[in-house]
Amino acid sequence: QKEVEQDPGPLSVPEGAIVSLNCTYSNSAFQYFMWYRQYSRKGPELLMYTYSSGNKEDGRFTAQVDKSSKYISLFIRDSQPSDSATYLCAMSNAGNMLTFGGGTRLMVKP
Amino acid sequence: DADVTQTPRNRITKTGKRIMLECSQTKGHDRMYWYRQDPGLGLRLIYYSFDVKDINKGEISDGYSVSRQAQAKFSLSLESAIPNQTALYFCATSDFSDRDTGELFFGEGSRLTVL
Repeated sequence: QKEVEQDPGPLSVPEGAIVSLNCTYSNSAFQYFMWYRQYSRKGPELLMYTYSSGNKEDGRFTAQVDKSSKYISLFIRDSQPSDSATYLCAMSNAGNMLTFGGGTRLMVKP
Repeated sequence: DADVTQTPRNRITKTGKRIMLECSQTKGHDRMYWYRQDPGLGLRLIYYSFDVKDINKGEISDGYSVSRQAQAKFSLSLESAIPNQTALYFCATSDFSDRDTGELFFGEGSRLTVL
């Protein structure tokens, strides 16, 4: 079993929909949780970062961490075609040594 | 110009050949990494370096070697390429001050195909 599990998708939604992307993990020592966005033929870029449990909001994006359930989520409100990308969750217990999920491919249809 | 530059962007080679992927950065970061990406497996760490004299194995270092020629340059070598090393390879950098946020800055990737 992988340390970080993520549904590969693809997830296809209409423009304007609320999107929920999720990861589960097994290592209870993880304290830092990130979401990276990767457009086709590009490298990943950090989208959001959360420390420990709780919520963090940035514009249309909300990251949630539930350490008791070992479950993290990324919500995208009012999704746009430009949100079409692969979303990778990542986590660590020691700064930069990240463990990545496999990524979920999201397609937002106009 | 990109902050993290990888060359070549695409390479097709044959089993047994030696391959070098190069990475250079203009961000002034001290930390550099090599990852490989395979469908459904996410990014897996091959090697990382926290400064010029520091080289560390990652999760999947077998069959690979690296060289940190300067603060700005970090190359990945496959001494004798095999087909299961066919993948998308990413170089990344980070700054010590971002060690908690986990922010890595990635290049655009080098797609390697081993026939």
